[in-house]
Amino acid sequence: RKEVEQDPGPFNVPEGATVAFNCTYSNSASQSFFWYRQDCRKEPKLLMSVYSSGNEDGRFTAQLNRASQYISLLIRDSKLSDSATYLCVVIPPGGGNKLTFGTGTQLKVEL
Amino acid sequence: GAGVSQSPSNKVTEKGKDVELRCDPISGHTALYWYRQSLGQGLEFLIYFQGNSAPDKSGLPSDRFSAERTGGSVSTLTIQRTQQEDSAVYLCASSSPLRNEQFFGPGTRLTVL
Repeated sequence: RKEVEQDPGPFNVPEGATVAFNCTYSNSASQSFFWYRQDCRKEPKLLMSVYSSGNEDGRFTAQLNRASQYISLLIRDSKLSDSATYLCVVIPPGGGNKLTFGTGTQLKVEL
Repeated sequence: GAGVSQSPSNKVTEKGKDVELRCDPISGHTALYWYRQSLGQGLEFLIYFQGNSAPDKSGLPSDRFSAERTGGSVSTLTIQRTQQEDSAVYLCASSSPLRNEQFFGPGTRLTVL
């Protein structure tokens, strides 16, 4: 089983739609969780950290369910500029801040 | 301010040659990481430097791979006797001691013919 699993998509949605991505992780002792965004042929950039209490940043909401070991990202009122690959990232226990990435979920927002 | 920079941006080499990839982290960032992203694969961790501590080399795929960080700043990733399966984008990231957010450089796209 992969340490971090995501549906690769692509998710094709119309502008203005609400879209949700889920991600599961295998190590129950993992402590830190993030969503990164990666545009085509560009480097990953941090979108948001994910906290147990859930957190919201504008149109983006991230939630963590420790019991089920999954992380979600909700994008409301999607824009064309949201088209990208969304990477679920976990820091497993064991020292250091080595990021473990999922393979990413591709989102395409269309007119 | 300046972000993480990497050079070269692209490198094409022949199988069996050695290559060196360079990373300049953000000034003041004590932690530096190397990852690689192969076509159709997720990013995978290679090596991690934190201050003056011994590096965490647990992600290096073979002894052909090595990295060093001189003076706590610039890092060089060296791949000896390159193989075609080494073709990937090699990404460097750095983070400050105050936050665990990692900032990535633009990467070096390595193609081994």
